[in-house]
Amino acid sequence: NAGVTQTPKFRILKIGQSMTLQCTQDMNHNYMYWYRQDPGMGLKLIYYSVGAGITDKGEVPNGYNVSRSTTEDFPLRLELAAPSQTSVYFCASRETGVANEQFFGPGTRLTVL
Amino acid sequence: AQTVTQSQPEMSVQEAETVTLSCTYDTSESDYYLFWYKQPPSRQMILVIRQEAYKQQNATENRFSVNFQKAAKSFSLKISDSQLGDAAMYFCAYRRGQGGSEKLVFGKGMKLTVNP
Repeated sequence: NAGVTQTPKFRILKIGQSMTLQCTQDMNHNYMYWYRQDPGMGLKLIYYSVGAGITDKGEVPNGYNVSRSTTEDFPLRLELAAPSQTSVYFCASRETGVANEQFFGPGTRLTVL
Repeated sequence: AQTVTQSQPEMSVQEAETVTLSCTYDTSESDYYLFWYKQPPSRQMILVIRQEAYKQQNATENRFSVNFQKAAKSFSLKISDSQLGDAAMYFCAYRRGQGGSEKLVFGKGMKLTVNP
C-alpha cells in the first residue's frame, strides 16, 4: 500500500496562473479531504468528499474547486492563483465509520509569487 | 463552532524525561473524538493517539497517554521517557461524532524540542 500520495511535492506559481494538485489513495477509502496549513497554524479544511461524485465545502473553499470521479482520486484545482494561496496542502482519506482515523499524504508546498 | 486551543507555542524537554502538552476545546456536542497528531520536519501528519468522548478511560499508546477531562474540556498529552525522535510539531484536533461535519478542527500546534 502506498497510502495517500500527492503530486507535486513543490510548486511555484505566478499570480493568475492555474494548477491542479493531485491526490490518490489506494486504500479504497470513501472519505477524502483537502486541508491547507499556513505558517504557524493548524490545518484548515478546504473541501471534502464522502464518495465518488459527492463533494462539499469545508471552512476555506474560496478560490478552489474539486471533483471526485473515482474512489481513488480527489484533485484540487486552483484557478487564478493569488499570494494568499501560498500554503502547504494536505490530502487525507479515511474509511467509512466515524471513529476511523484520517491518513494524510506528504503535502504539497505551493508558493504564489 | 468548535474551537481547539493550544496555548503553549513551544516547549522543551530533556531526553528521557516526561513532558505534558496542553489542549483545551470548546463544543456543545456530547459525541466527539479528540486526537493528537505529530508533524516532524518531513511534514507528514502522524496520528499519535485518539480519545473517544464517551470513554471515561484515558487512552494510552506506549509512551504516550492522555489526560481527558470532559467537564473541563481539556485534553492533554503526556510523553514519557522522551526521545530525540519525539521532536516535532504537535497538533490537537477535534471531530464531531455521528451525523456531524466530517472535518477535523485543529489547534495552532506546539513545537516540542527534545534536548540530549
